[in-house]
Order: sequence, then structure tokens, then C-alpha cells
Amino acid sequence: AQSVTQLGSHVSVSEGALVLLRCNYSSSVPPYLFWYVQYPNQGLQLLLKYTSAATLVKGINGFEAEFKKSETSFHLTKPSAHMSDAAEYFCAVSDQGNDYKLSFGAGTTVTVRA
Amino acid sequence: DADVTQTPRNRITKTGKRIMLECSQTKGHDRMYWYRQDPGLGLRLIYYSFDVKDINKGEISDGYSVSRQAQAKFSLSLESAIPNQTALYFCATSDPGHRTDTQYFGPGTRLTVL
Repeated sequence: AQSVTQLGSHVSVSEGALVLLRCNYSSSVPPYLFWYVQYPNQGLQLLLKYTSAATLVKGINGFEAEFKKSETSFHLTKPSAHMSDAAEYFCAVSDQGNDYKLSFGAGTTVTVRA
Repeated sequence: DADVTQTPRNRITKTGKRIMLECSQTKGHDRMYWYRQDPGLGLRLIYYSFDVKDINKGEISDGYSVSRQAQAKFSLSLESAIPNQTALYFCATSDPGHRTDTQYFGPGTRLTVL
């Protein structure tokens, strides 16, 4: 069975600082990995996904994530935080052995200080 | 117009009442999902449907039922609502033609059971 652990339920960064959100996964087969973002009072939207192609994945709004098989990690980064990045971020994993159903992490809430 | 819509957006009900949450999509996707979101728990899958005749239980289906009325419509029912079903509910769709199964989410329904 696949699962995801997001380290840190809340992250606070200054505007212009690096954003780093941590995600570790567990999967018995090569996984597909996703980062979703949820802005206040909205549904989730896809930031980026890893599908066994390039290990460094670029997404929308300047975010990127790196798949590291040896560390079973898929951490999300953005070099310079903007106020509009304040949101909740979810890491998720799916695999072909489980109907490609998504398993979500608990989420990390990002606040950006001016 | 939004691709995935949910009605109602907010609902307050009383213990023991029957309630239905509705989801409609214009993306033409065969797969549809219902999740609930609770603080600190991320999203958990309630039911999913791969087509009109294929409905499957997710990890937390007890106390819920679903109906897939058409390709575009997937409803979630709480036969006898209880307070611990107070949560944010999301509908999502995906395209089975894409193996990675990116999911597209509706705006959510905030349900409060008193």
C-alpha cells in the first residue's frame, strides 16, 4: 500500500525567502507523485507531477520538486516566496497496482510574512 | 464556467437528517471521486467510480452512499448524518486515458452536522 508523509504541518517564510516543503512516500511499485495546492476557499489544483520521466519536475508559479528514489522523497521548493503562495499544499502518491487512486499527505500550510 | 461544480457550497444540517451532495462535470471524464477533508488528515477517499456501472468503496465509505446518474453526475448521500461527518467534501474527476490520472477538483462543499 502506498502512503505519504509530509513533514511539518505549518511553514512560515518571509517574502523572498526559499520555500521548502518536505514529502516522503512509501510505495511497493514505482510511484507517480503529485503536489497539489489549495488556496483559501477553493478546491485543489495541480502544481506538478512526477511520472518517471525527469527527476526534477517543474510546475506552475515557479515551484519545482525533485524525485529522489534513494531517499523516497519528493520535496517541493520555490526559490523566492511571494505573498500569493500562502496556501495549503498536499503531496500525493498513486500507483498502477491500486487503480491509480491518490493517497494524500496531511498537508502543509504555508504563511508568507511581509 | 467551472469544469467541476458542486452543490451546495455550504450546508448546515441536524443529526439524523438525510443529505445529498451533488457533483457535475463538463470535462468529459469517466472517472469521478468523492473525498472528505479534515484538518490534519488531508483528503481521504470515500467512493470512486470509473464509469456509470462501476462504483467502488474508498477507505472511509461507512455512513455514505453514492449514485452515478450519468457520466457527468456523481452524488454523495449521507443517509443519517452524524456530527463527525462535519467536514469539507470534494468531488474530483480524472481521465483514464492518462495513466498518471491527474485529478481535477471541484470547489468543495462545507458540511456542518449539528
